[in-house]
Amino acid sequence: EMVMTQSPATLSVSPGERATLSCRASRDVSSNVGWYQQKPGQAPRPLIYGASSRATGVPARFSGSGSGTEFTLTISSLQSEDSAVYYCQQYDTWPLAFGGGTKVEI
Amino acid sequence: QVQLVQSGAEVKLPGSSVKVSCKASGGTFSTFAISWVRQTPGQGLEWMGGIIPLFGTTIYAQSFQGRVAITADKSTTTAYMELISLTSDDTAVYYCVSGYTSTWSGDYWGQGTLVTVSS
Repeated sequence: EMVMTQSPATLSVSPGERATLSCRASRDVSSNVGWYQQKPGQAPRPLIYGASSRATGVPARFSGSGSGTEFTLTISSLQSEDSAVYYCQQYDTWPLAFGGGTKVEI
Repeated sequence: QVQLVQSGAEVKLPGSSVKVSCKASGGTFSTFAISWVRQTPGQGLEWMGGIIPLFGTTIYAQSFQGRVAITADKSTTTAYMELISLTSDDTAVYYCVSGYTSTWSGDYWGQGTLVTVSS
């Protein structure tokens, strides 16, 4: 069964700094990876699809990269509103699978 | 722009079942998959299964196999998730999710439905 592993579990950064979040798939998932941002009490918000394409309305400071088994979400200059939990998901193979999440603290 | 609107919160007794609906508008309902994802309190996201309404094709996560049924009504562009034999461990927020950029991608999310299982 496919496993998505995210690291670190928690990331503490200062405003304006760069944040790099990692996601590793247990098997090749090509570029079929999405990234989501979730704030308390809200539904997850899609940020990235196809590993590197920004969803509509997502600020340019969010970027995704990777293919195969290694993926990265980069937030280039953190703002206070970026404090949230971030999840990766593979949708290449059934069952679809989410990573455990990375909590970003500003 | 696809919008997914889910049914309201439910309180259920242990051993009973729940059926949550997800009304889709603004897109081509049948072509892309509708998945169901749950989030237990304070925990991460768990994919339960999904359906491609055009074909009626369903696929379920093994951990829910035999206990969940996902259906779709093309005439009303509504998807449903029914979970049976509820226990307190099923207390969670349940989300419906629609693909668009890819069949199974998570491009659009419903607002979530809180299901509380308690005696």
